[in-house]
Amino acid sequence: QVQLQESGPGLVKPSGTLSLTCAVSGGSISSSNWWSWVRQPPGKGLEWIGEIYHSGSTNYNPSLKSRVTISVDKSKNQFSLKLSSVTAADTAVYYCARGYSGTLGYYYYYYMDVWGKGTTVTVSS
Amino acid sequence: SYELTQPPSVSVSPGQTASITCSGDKLGDKYACWYQQKPGQSPVLVIYQDSKRPSGIPERFSGSNSGNTATLTISGTQALDEADYYCQAWDSQGVFGGGTKLTVL
Repeated sequence: QVQLQESGPGLVKPSGTLSLTCAVSGGSISSSNWWSWVRQPPGKGLEWIGEIYHSGSTNYNPSLKSRVTISVDKSKNQFSLKLSSVTAADTAVYYCARGYSGTLGYYYYYYMDVWGKGTTVTVSS
Repeated sequence: SYELTQPPSVSVSPGQTASITCSGDKLGDKYACWYQQKPGQSPVLVIYQDSKRPSGIPERFSGSNSGNTATLTISGTQALDEADYYCQAWDSQGVFGGGTKLTVL
């Protein structure tokens, strides 16, 4: 079964760039799925960051769009997140996840069925 | 931007039925899903496309969605169901509800 594993620095300086990678194992990143990033600040709820398809198509949370870049590396079966100009408010557990989407009847569905274990990123000097 | 609203907390006695609501404008015109998250763990999908259960999710978990409200129902609630629950839908982006802490006491 598909497994996801996040990796990257656990500490980033303010105004710097957060960079994380999600390695996909047990399946191909070129499957018919969207590959997503979600974060959770300490003691708070989940926030969807964005997603990428193996073709390179992306969708981003409008509130983060100016600072976020998600990319895919099919040769390494992984995808990545870059978040620029970080502040303490970007301190969170960052999860990668596999997304399913499509249209059923009149309506569009989207859900994430496989999640990584998450990685904690702290923004501090 | 689109918003989903959940009650911050719900309490239920063991063996009873727990209902967690998720409200959003015309949510019934979208598909909702639900995630369970226990402390220190990643979210787990428990309901997708309003009412479908992924493989391995117990039958006591069910879902519905109509009008402006989606509902997650847990029948015969067990102590191990105590967790945070998040609803999620799509509105040009992924949108999560604020989460509901389910306490089984």
